[in-house]
Amino acid sequence: QSALTQPASVSGSPGQSITISCTGTSSDVGGYNYVSWYQQYPGKAPKVMIFDVNNRPSGVPNRFSGSKSGNTASLTISGLQPEDEAEYYCSSYTTSHTRLFGGGTKLTVL
Amino acid sequence: EVQLVQSGGEVKKPGESLKISCKASGYTFTTEWIGWVRQMPGKGLEWMGIIFPSDSDTKYSPSFQGQVTISADKSISTVYLQWSSLKASDTALYFCARVKYSGYAFGDWGQGTLVTVSS
Repeated sequence: QSALTQPASVSGSPGQSITISCTGTSSDVGGYNYVSWYQQYPGKAPKVMIFDVNNRPSGVPNRFSGSKSGNTASLTISGLQPEDEAEYYCSSYTTSHTRLFGGGTKLTVL
Repeated sequence: EVQLVQSGGEVKKPGESLKISCKASGYTFTTEWIGWVRQMPGKGLEWMGIIFPSDSDTKYSPSFQGQVTISADKSISTVYLQWSSLKASDTALYFCARVKYSGYAFGDWGQGTLVTVSS
């Protein structure tokens, strides 16, 4: 199983919006609405920001949203804040009844 | 409040065995899947596998099948990750995490255990 494909880095200025893509196959992202997104600061445990493609856990700002089209899922962060600077990982359920993570995207807030 | 408290960092030599732990509290341990994620130095997250403590049903990523063993002790609400013969490439930060969402998606995470394998 290969990791899901994410851009290595994205950047944006405070207040702007950015989108991070996550591309898989019909055996994972395209086959199920079970995509989640995680935020990770260096040396810390990941935190779930989106689950089941477009659902936000309690406490996650509504600036974070998720979507999916075909084999590609996306995380959009609107109204960028300095504290959003972190690594972001997508994850999807697979036909092997396991999960895959993406390679990670470093978000820089300029 | 769900808490996952992992054992401390380890420094081992190649060929040695190791078992790290993660003690869960704040929920019914036997009825929720729980598992492990690897993060090698400077690299991304890798899903290793999960276990259902009630019956010890396990699911491993093909990349980790046969390389590690995930087990659980229901009596003390603890999940384990075990190696029989460590390699330098096992050096990584290991997180335990509880499945909380559909499709075995993790929702709660431990603080991580750093395993260093060096001669």
